[in-house]
Amino acid sequence: AQSVTQLDSQVPVFEEAPVELRCNYSSSVSVYLFWYVQYPNQGLQLLLKYLSGSTLVKGINGFEAEFNKSQTSFHLRKPSVHISDTAEYFCAVTPYSSASKIIFGSGTRLSIRP
Amino acid sequence: EAGVAQSPRYKIIEKRQSVAFWCNPISGHATLYWYQQILGQGPKLLIQFQNNGVVDDSQLPKDRFSAERLKGVDSTLKIQPAKLEDSAVYLCASTRTGGNTGELFFGEGSRLTVL
Repeated sequence: AQSVTQLDSQVPVFEEAPVELRCNYSSSVSVYLFWYVQYPNQGLQLLLKYLSGSTLVKGINGFEAEFNKSQTSFHLRKPSVHISDTAEYFCAVTPYSSASKIIFGSGTRLSIRP
Repeated sequence: EAGVAQSPRYKIIEKRQSVAFWCNPISGHATLYWYQQILGQGPKLLIQFQNNGVVDDSQLPKDRFSAERLKGVDSTLKIQPAKLEDSAVYLCASTRTGGNTGELFFGEGSRLTVL
């Protein structure tokens, strides 16, 4: 079975500061990895995904994530955040073998201070 | 391209009452999912359809929850009777392929409050 741990339930940062949202996963098989964002009162939308190849993945809105197989991590980063990045961020995994059973972490709420 | 449509956006009911949520996926998307998102938690898969067939309903509480996708397009999720712990946002998502490399497109969700 797979599981996802997002260690930080809330991350407050100042505008234009860098941010890292942490994600660790557990799986006995190879997985695909995703980050989704949920803006207030909206559905989730895909930020980026890692399927294979380069371990550094770039997504929308200036976000990027790095897959680290040895540490089973997929941390999300942005060098300079904006007020508009205020949202909840979910890390998700799915095993190669699954017919697309995607498992989500509990989420990290990013709040940006002016 | 129209997104995933869900209704109603909000519903308040008393425990032991019934409720139904409707979802219309993006045109051409064969795979449809219902997720339950309890406050402070990540979405939890309830059921996955491929066209009008069920692929995975292992986490659906079948004594009270039911879902159908009769014509392989829109879907209905029903709860009867509702319990207090069913208070959550019910998210519908769709994807073109059934594959896990695809991107899920989510609706805005239906927020259920059970009193």
